Amino acid sequence: AQRVTQPEKLLSVFKGAPVELKCNYSYSGSPELFWYVQYSRQRLQLLLRHISRESIKGFTADLNKGETSFHLKKPFAQEEDSAMYYCALSDNTDKLIFGTGTRLQVFP
Amino acid sequence: DGGITQSPKYLFRKEGQNVTLSCEQNLNHDAMYWYRQDPGQGLRLIYYSQIVNDFQKGDIAEGYSVSREKKESFPLTVTSAQKNPTAFYLCASSRTASNQPQHFGDGTRLSIL
Repeated sequence: AQRVTQPEKLLSVFKGAPVELKCNYSYSGSPELFWYVQYSRQRLQLLLRHISRESIKGFTADLNKGETSFHLKKPFAQEEDSAMYYCALSDNTDKLIFGTGTRLQVFP
Repeated sequence: DGGITQSPKYLFRKEGQNVTLSCEQNLNHDAMYWYRQDPGQGLRLIYYSQIVNDFQKGDIAEGYSVSREKKESFPLTVTSAQKNPTAFYLCASSRTASNQPQHFGDGTRLSIL
């Protein structure tokens, strides 16, 4: 069965430190993966998707099919990055399968 | 201002009462979704609809019902059969095609009195 695993419920770092939010998936086909972010008092929004291969707000994510991972990385965390982050997988249908989310706290 | 509008923002339900959560979108999206968000459990799919007058059950459809009479609207009814309805409910929409990103509303928080 398709599954998305985010092993960390909470990740705390200091401003300027590197950040890596982990995401592992299980899916037998060729997946499409997304990262969504929910800032305090804002709606859930798309951060990036692997097919776009772009960097948004300094974040990047590389799909590693061998390790079935799609970790989200940023070299220097900022306080405004504090939010809830969700990894999601599309099984080539209209549906998304979400992980349980990781809360990122960036301290000054 | 384009997007998805959910109402109300907060809703209280008495035991044995059905309540309906509203979701409207003006993005001209064919597909719409309802999720339930509980602490530590992420988003779980309740129902989704790919086209008007058609919808499918998601992973946790028991105790819920939906309708899709108009492209813009996808209301969710939480029935008295749902034994643990207290949660945050999110509505989303997307274009109908594989692997399309979903756009979300602000959510409705439902509580039991």
